[in-house]
Amino acid sequence: EDKVVQSPLSLVVHEGDTVTLNCSYEVTNFRSLLWYKQEKKAPTFLFMLTSSGIEKKSGRLSSILDKKELFSILNITATQTGDSAVYLCARRHGNQFYFGTGTSLTVIP
Amino acid sequence: DADVTQTPRNRITKTGKRIMLECSQTKGHDRMYWYRQDPGLGLRLIYYSFDVKDINKGEISDGYSVSRQAQAKFSLSLESAIPNQTALYFCATSEGRATNEKLFFGSGTQLSVL
Repeated sequence: EDKVVQSPLSLVVHEGDTVTLNCSYEVTNFRSLLWYKQEKKAPTFLFMLTSSGIEKKSGRLSSILDKKELFSILNITATQTGDSAVYLCARRHGNQFYFGTGTSLTVIP
Repeated sequence: DADVTQTPRNRITKTGKRIMLECSQTKGHDRMYWYRQDPGLGLRLIYYSFDVKDINKGEISDGYSVSRQAQAKFSLSLESAIPNQTALYFCATSEGRATNEKLFFGSGTQLSVL
């Protein structure tokens, strides 16, 4: 089974803090790793990572993949209450996507 | 308008009832998927379809069936609903590209089986 493990399971921070969310996986050959943000219902796409060591960045969010150590991180700097959500990572292997359980982030004012 | 539309948004049903969840998309994507989300278990794949004549089981297909009526429509049926099928169900689509493939999700259907 292509297990995808996210940590921590939940996190509570204050506005302005920086957070790092982790996603680890078990198999070495895959096509891509994706990050999604789920606020109320539908997950929305954040990043796709295919190459090791290349950072993807969008505003205060950034993500990087380490294919040697089999993990990815999602960083959020200067957090805002609008960043409160569940963050999901998924690994694409062949024609399927395998999701982690998600990290629930709560940002308090 | 939403690109991936799921109906109904919420559904409460009784054990043993047959129900259908519907999904339609205007993205023109060939690939469609049904996932369920349970607290602590993440998103798990139920069925997927890569074109109208293609249906594939995912990791948790028991107790479910699907129908791909057209490129834009993919429905999920629970033949005889049971309480442990209470979950949030998502339909998703993807383009079917070799690289840069990503999923686009509908807003979900919250199903409660009493």
